[in-house]
Amino acid sequence: AQTVTQSQPEMSVQEAETVTLSCTYDTSESDYYLFWYKQPPSRQMILVIRQEAYKQQNATENRFSVNFQKAAKSFSLKISDSQLGDAAMYFCAYRSWQGGSEKLVFGKGTKLTVNP
Amino acid sequence: GAGVSQTPSNKVTEKGKYVELRCDPISGHTALYWYRQSLGQGPEFLIYFQGTGAADDSGLPNDRFFAVRPEGSVSTLKIQRTERGDSAVYLCASSQGGSGSTDTQYFGPGTRLTVL
Repeated sequence: AQTVTQSQPEMSVQEAETVTLSCTYDTSESDYYLFWYKQPPSRQMILVIRQEAYKQQNATENRFSVNFQKAAKSFSLKISDSQLGDAAMYFCAYRSWQGGSEKLVFGKGTKLTVNP
Repeated sequence: GAGVSQTPSNKVTEKGKYVELRCDPISGHTALYWYRQSLGQGPEFLIYFQGTGAADDSGLPNDRFFAVRPEGSVSTLKIQRTERGDSAVYLCASSQGGSGSTDTQYFGPGTRLTVL
């Protein structure tokens, strides 16, 4: 079974600075998808960025970018020019596609604090 | 358009009682997912519907948990003989439903279930 590990329970960053959140995963599949979701106190999970495993180019979405290292099974999220609104729980997720199910497998999350 | 909605937002019940949690997916989305998020953890997959049928129910913890989606839209998660360990946030997500695609799952705000 696939597993996702986020080794940083909490991180903090100064407003306007850059922060990187770590994620590693374990899988025997060669084709899969990886995601970063943001969960503010409102509880609603919001997709931040996604990466297809077959693409070598790292995904970017405005201030958010990833460093995808397939051989190392690493998928880190970089947030540039951090804003107060970025404060939230961040979850790394793996998209499992076994037996027709497209369930997400999540890590335990990293709580990001943005200091003014 | 409207996002995924879940009712109730909060539910408090007593041990041994029966509860129903409702999810209204985004209109036109054929895939629907239920996840459970315990305190300090990432969401854990419970069940996945494609249309009216449960395509994968491997995440349901035991036979006290059951979910239906009779018309391929609204889904109800049913928990019998609730236990204190069932206390968690129950998240619902929906997606357009395309196997093998980068099908994004959109989440609702969740139902916080507390079993006393």
